[in-house]
Amino acid sequence: KQEVTQIPAALSVPEGENLVLNCSFTDSAIYNLQWFRQDPGKGLTSLLLIQSSQREQTSGRLNASLDKSSGRSTLYIAASQPGDSATYLCAVRGLFYNQGGKLIFGQGTELSVKP
Amino acid sequence: SQTIHQWPATLVQPVGSPLSLECTVEGTSNPNLYWYRQAAGRGLQLLFYSVGIGQISSEVPQNLSASRPQDRQFILSSKKLLLSDSGFYLCAWSVGSLMDQQYFGPGTRLTVT
Repeated sequence: KQEVTQIPAALSVPEGENLVLNCSFTDSAIYNLQWFRQDPGKGLTSLLLIQSSQREQTSGRLNASLDKSSGRSTLYIAASQPGDSATYLCAVRGLFYNQGGKLIFGQGTELSVKP
Repeated sequence: SQTIHQWPATLVQPVGSPLSLECTVEGTSNPNLYWYRQAAGRGLQLLFYSVGIGQISSEVPQNLSASRPQDRQFILSSKKLLLSDSGFYLCAWSVGSLMDQQYFGPGTRLTVT
């Protein structure tokens, strides 16, 4: 059974710092991995999607890496801003079509960037 | 462009009352549709998914049910709510393969009292 863990559960940093959020998963047989952002009381916004054959994806100040063999992914945020404050969720999709494309989510890292 | 709507945005219901949450998608045809729940202290969990009208797959046994009466409409229901049904319910859609990227709606906050 796939389990996804995110560390730390909460993180507070001063504005301008570079930071890393961690995600680990127990079953390396994944189709892809996705990072989402969730603002309080809101839905999910997809940030980056990494296919199992890829090592990393970049979008602006965000860079996500994937090491499937070790069951790890990191989300790197450069030059953090107060607007980056949100909960960041990692989710993996299993390899088999009959799993319905189910995303298995971690519990998230709550990020607070102080001005 | 595609948009996804959920209503109501918030809902407070007593234990034992019925439930109906609605999700609609605009700007696409024959989407795959999903219902997720985010309970306090727990991660997001897939409840149901649908690949077409009248086709529902359940992931988690519970007192909830789902229906898809129209191509772009997905409904989550319950005949009698439990306290444990409280949570944040998210609808999502994708097109093409079930393995493709999912896009999430704004969510419905359900509080069962």
